[in-house]
Amino acid sequence: QKEVEQNSGPLSVPEGAIASLNCTYSDRGSQSFFWYRQYSGKSPELIMSIYSNGDKEDGRFTAQLNKASQYVSLLIRDSQPSDSATYLCAVNSGTYKYIFGTGTRLKVLA
Amino acid sequence: DARVTQTPRHKVTEMGQEVTMRCQPILGHNTVFWYRQTMMQGLELLAYFRNRAPLDDSGMPKDRFSAEMPDATLATLKIQPSEPRDSAVYFCASGPTLNTEAFFGQGTRLTVV
Repeated sequence: QKEVEQNSGPLSVPEGAIASLNCTYSDRGSQSFFWYRQYSGKSPELIMSIYSNGDKEDGRFTAQLNKASQYVSLLIRDSQPSDSATYLCAVNSGTYKYIFGTGTRLKVLA
Repeated sequence: DARVTQTPRHKVTEMGQEVTMRCQPILGHNTVFWYRQTMMQGLELLAYFRNRAPLDDSGMPKDRFSAEMPDATLATLKIQPSEPRDSAVYFCASGPTLNTEAFFGQGTRLTVV
């Protein structure tokens, strides 16, 4: 079992719709959780961090964390073509390893 | 504009040669990570440091890779000898503490022929 798992996609959504991205992790001792966006040929860019159960909103982005079920999700409201990218889930484990999933490719169709 | 700086941005080398990649973390950050990214494996954690001390380098092939932090402003990743399978993008990231966000440099694209 991989430490951090994501569906590779591609996930295609129409412009203006809500994109929902999911991530599960295996280490119950994990303490902090992050979403990064990576455009092709570029470096990962941090978009959200979440540390406690529940929802955290920042503009069009909402991160959701459920430690009991060991999943993290990212919702992107009013999706735009410029949101088309690979979204990487990262988990800081109980041993402070910062582990990434393989990413979900999102396509927002104009 | 605080950012992680990596050099070189691109490197093409012949198999068997030594390669050194450098990273300047964001000033004040005490945690540094090295990652390798390939299409097949995604982002793999190679090693990480806290306050210049290596915490874990279990992700690195020990026989050919080494990572060091000679001082707080410089982290290095060395491959000796390099092999074609080392071709990848190598990222450095830094964070203010072990448990918070990490910010990435622009990466070094390594091609070993």
